[in-house]
Formats: sequence, C-alpha cells, structure tokens
Amino acid sequence: AQSVAQPEDQVNVAEGNPLTVKCTYSVSGNPYLFWYVQYPNRGLQFLLKYITGDNLVKGSYGFEAEFNKSQTSFHLKKPSALVSDSALYFCAVRDPQEYSNYQLIWGAGTKLIIKP
Amino acid sequence: DGGITQSPKYLFRKEGQNVTLSCEQNLNHDAMYWYRQDPGQGLRLIYYSQIVNDFQKGDIAEGYSVSREKKESFPLTVTSAQKNPTAFYLCASSIGQERDTQYFGPGTRLTVL
Repeated sequence: AQSVAQPEDQVNVAEGNPLTVKCTYSVSGNPYLFWYVQYPNRGLQFLLKYITGDNLVKGSYGFEAEFNKSQTSFHLKKPSALVSDSALYFCAVRDPQEYSNYQLIWGAGTKLIIKP
Repeated sequence: DGGITQSPKYLFRKEGQNVTLSCEQNLNHDAMYWYRQDPGQGLRLIYYSQIVNDFQKGDIAEGYSVSREKKESFPLTVTSAQKNPTAFYLCASSIGQERDTQYFGPGTRLTVL
C-alpha cells in the first residue's frame, strides 16, 4: 500500500545551523513528491516538488530537497535555519501509476522548532 | 489578487445542525479538494472534484456533502451525521493535470459545541 512516513514528530535546531526534515515513502511506481509548510492556523504553502530529472530540487525560502530512489526518501533541507522557519512541515507523494485522479498521500507532519 | 478564499475563518455549531463551509478560487483551476486536518495527523481527503458538476468521495466522505455548480466554487456541508466534526478544514485547488501542485486556502476551524 502507498504510504508516506515522517519519522520525527518534532525537530529542534539552533538558529544558523543546518536543518533536515525527513520523509520516506512507499509507492509502486516513480513518485511525484511534494513538501508543504503550514504556519499556525493557516493553510498549507507549497515549498517544492520533484517530478523527474535532477535529484536535488530547490524551492521557496531557501529550502531544498534531495530525492533518493534507492532509499525511497525525500528529505527537506536548509543550510542555515531561521527562527521564522519554525512551522509544521508536510511531505506528500503521488504515484501516477496507481491513481486516475490527482490525490496526494500525506505524511503526518513534522513540527520544526528553530531556537534563537 | 489570485487565490483561494475560505469563509468563515472560525465557525461554531451546535450538535445536530448542518453547516456549510465556503471555498472560492479565482485561479481558473479545474480541480478542487476538501481536506480535514486533526492534531497529529496528516491531511485526510473528504471530497474532490475534477470538473464542474462532478465530484468523488475521498477517504472520509461519510457525514459530508459537496456541490460543484461553478468552476470557482466548491462548498462543503458538514451534516449532523458527521460524528466528530470539530476540526480544521482546508480547501485546495489545482490545474487538473497529474503533475500539478495543489494550492490551499487559509482554512476554516469548525467547533461543535
């Protein structure tokens, strides 16, 4: 069955340090992968996506993510964290071979806390 | 300004009452979605619509209903049959192609008193 796992409920990082938010997936085909961010009591904002091509994808606000097919992972990274990066981060995946519609499979979310 | 609007931002309802959440988009997107978000859980799909006058049930459609009479509008009704309706509801839209990105509205927080 298709699934997305975000193994860490919360990640704590000091401001200025690099950050990583982990995501692993299980789909049968070649996935489309997405990262979204949610600030408190707000809707989700799109950060970046991987469809095909270069495994390193760059997105909004200095974030990037690396697609690793052998490890079935799509970890979100940023070289230097800001306090304003503190939010809830969601990974999502779509298996184009499994669905005739455009549904996404969502991870449970990871709360990122950046401490000054 | 292009975007997705949801209203109201906060909504309170008494048990046994139906309530309708509004979702409007001016992005000219074909597909629209309703999600429910509960603490500690990912988003769960309630209903989605790929074209006007057509919609499909998602994973948790019981106790909810929708309509899609216009391309820009996709209202969600939470009926009295929904056993635990208190949640944060998110509407999204996308162009309607397999590789596309979903864009989200600001959400409506529904509380049943």
